[in-house]
Amino acid sequence: AQSVTQLDSHVSVSEGTPVLLRCNYSSSYSPSLFWYVQHPNKGLQLLLKYTSAATLVKGINGFEAEFKKSETSFHLTKPSAHMSDAAEYFCDTPRRYQFYFGTGTSLTVIP
Amino acid sequence: EAQVTQNPRYLITVTGKKLTVTCSQNMNHEYMSWYRQDPGLGLRQIYYSMNVEVTDKGDVPEGYKVSRKEKRNFPLILESPSPNQTSLYFCASSYVPVLAYEQYFGPGTRLTVT
Repeated sequence: AQSVTQLDSHVSVSEGTPVLLRCNYSSSYSPSLFWYVQHPNKGLQLLLKYTSAATLVKGINGFEAEFKKSETSFHLTKPSAHMSDAAEYFCDTPRRYQFYFGTGTSLTVIP
Repeated sequence: EAQVTQNPRYLITVTGKKLTVTCSQNMNHEYMSWYRQDPGLGLRQIYYSMNVEVTDKGDVPEGYKVSRKEKRNFPLILESPSPNQTSLYFCASSYVPVLAYEQYFGPGTRLTVT
């Protein structure tokens, strides 16, 4: 079955340092993959998506992710964390008409 | 403004009292879906709809009903709510094919069943 695994439930970084949020996928074929961000008491907002085009995907707010088929990964990165990046992050993949979300990674940014 | 709206945002009810959470989108999306979010479990899909009068079960459909009589609306019905349905619920919509398009999410409905 197609699914995603977020490897860290919590990540803490200092403001201005790099962010790495990890997502692995399992799929027998080339998937579509999405990263969403959820700020407190808000709905989910798309950060970026991979749909079989360029393997390095740039998103909003300075985030990017690289699709690595050999590692079955789609990790989310940002060179320099900002306080406003503190939120919950979800990776997600569709299969046919259903969506499969990871369990989420809570990002804390320390001033 | 393109948006998905849900009502109510907060709801406290008692076991067995039927309730409906409404969802509406103004983007002419074919695809609509309901999720529940629970700590440590992420988002799990309850039901989805590919178009008017076309609905199907997600991973956790037990205890829920949906209908899609109009393209813009996709209400979630709990005919006999139980405490294990206490959760945060999200409605979402998208163009098709879903492999190519992101979902747009509503602000969420926090449901407590006592």
